[in-house]
Amino acid sequence: DIVLTQSPALAVSLGQRATISCRASQSVSTSSYDFMHWYQQKPGQQPILFIYDAFNLPSSIPARFSGSGSGTDFTLTINPVQADDIATYYCQQSRELPLTFGSGTKLEIK
Amino acid sequence: QVKLLQSGAALVKPGASVKMSCKASGYTFTDYWVSWVKQSHGRSLEWIGEIYPNSGATKFNEKFKGKATLTVDKSPSTAYMELSRLTSEDSAIYYCGRRAYYGTNYFDYWGQGVMVTVSS
Repeated sequence: DIVLTQSPALAVSLGQRATISCRASQSVSTSSYDFMHWYQQKPGQQPILFIYDAFNLPSSIPARFSGSGSGTDFTLTINPVQADDIATYYCQQSRELPLTFGSGTKLEIK
Repeated sequence: QVKLLQSGAALVKPGASVKMSCKASGYTFTDYWVSWVKQSHGRSLEWIGEIYPNSGATKFNEKFKGKATLTVDKSPSTAYMELSRLTSEDSAIYYCGRRAYYGTNYFDYWGQGVMVTVSS
């Protein structure tokens, strides 16, 4: 199985940049696609898709969110962080089965 | 708009089974995979498996083979997951999610989740 590693928590000040990383145990990219996606989850709610294919934003997601990376190293960036962004962020790979998720990074206010 | 509406919370006894539903609306049900994901309390997400309503084809995480059974009813656009021989380890929130048949197959929509509590 592909293991995705995330830091447990990240503390940032409102208005600053937050960078959340995800490292895969093997490449999740091909010459055509990056099979890495990011979800936001708030307590008591279902996950919401925030980034797909490493850097694409669904139309409903604010432009202060961005994604980057390829191969085994990926990043979700929030700039500037707003109070509504406080949540846990999960990366997920769909390169191969079983689908796997990172353990989540909890974004906190400093 | 796309919606996945899941059934209500369940309290079940150890050793019993539970069946939950995920009713889809706002899109062509047979064109997308319906996946199921487990979230144990305060922990990460685990993919259980998925079903393609058009053909009934299923894929499973080896860890959940024998534990989960996936079915669909094309009318009324509902997917089901049954969990058997329940133990305390099965207490969790279970989500259904929609995945495209082609491409990179991310989860673009999720149900609200079903909380299952296994207790005597």
